[in-house]
Amino acid sequence: DAGVIQSPRHEVTEMGQEVTLRCKPISGHNSLFWYRQTMMRGLELLIYFNNNVPIDDSGMPEDRFSAKMPNASFSTLKIQPSEPRDSAVYFCASTRRGQGIADTQYFGPGTRLTVL
Amino acid sequence: QQQVKQSPQSLIVQKGGISIINCAYENTAFDYFPWYQQFPGKGPALLIAIRPDVSEKKEGRFTISFNKSAKQFSLHIMDSQPGDSATYFCAASRTGSARQLTFGSGTQLTVLP
Repeated sequence: DAGVIQSPRHEVTEMGQEVTLRCKPISGHNSLFWYRQTMMRGLELLIYFNNNVPIDDSGMPEDRFSAKMPNASFSTLKIQPSEPRDSAVYFCASTRRGQGIADTQYFGPGTRLTVL
Repeated sequence: QQQVKQSPQSLIVQKGGISIINCAYENTAFDYFPWYQQFPGKGPALLIAIRPDVSEKKEGRFTISFNKSAKQFSLHIMDSQPGDSATYFCAASRTGSARQLTFGSGTQLTVLP
């Protein structure tokens, strides 16, 4: 299995631009999570989906952030407009609910976003 | 409000020594406590996990000790190796929460050769 795939791995953009981060979860997984990691705030859960439906987006910092999961194999996290304080590493993780203690979240390699 | 507090923030250990990282939680509804290991440039990966019905779980050189009454759990790395140098995160979740993980702030472990 290829694991969770994220693209791009690195993104440098200017303030005010739209940024779209992409994630392909592990095949067969039915839950997907978006996290943001910064030195100051650590790992923060932004939003998670179950069976492609957003369940909890309370971690999304502002209306500038939006996430979609049009199908079981693809999700996007969009920031519009981007700001320098959005600079962070964004991780996508997936799991298959119902495996009990084996509900392990598998993380992708992350997208390092820099907003100038 | 931070629900999982992790310490220390950084730890330096000699090769062969024991590394100990501690976490404390507040929400008594938590019933799953994993530890994740993260190498630079990589995403976190599950290292070991425990449920509160046991007080200890061991996998190779890695052991979780769990104290339900104190609401604390810790990771012990025996015979620490330079390859263990990474950032370690404790986490907690509860049944019915779709396994939303609440992460600690992380511990950067450096094992000196």
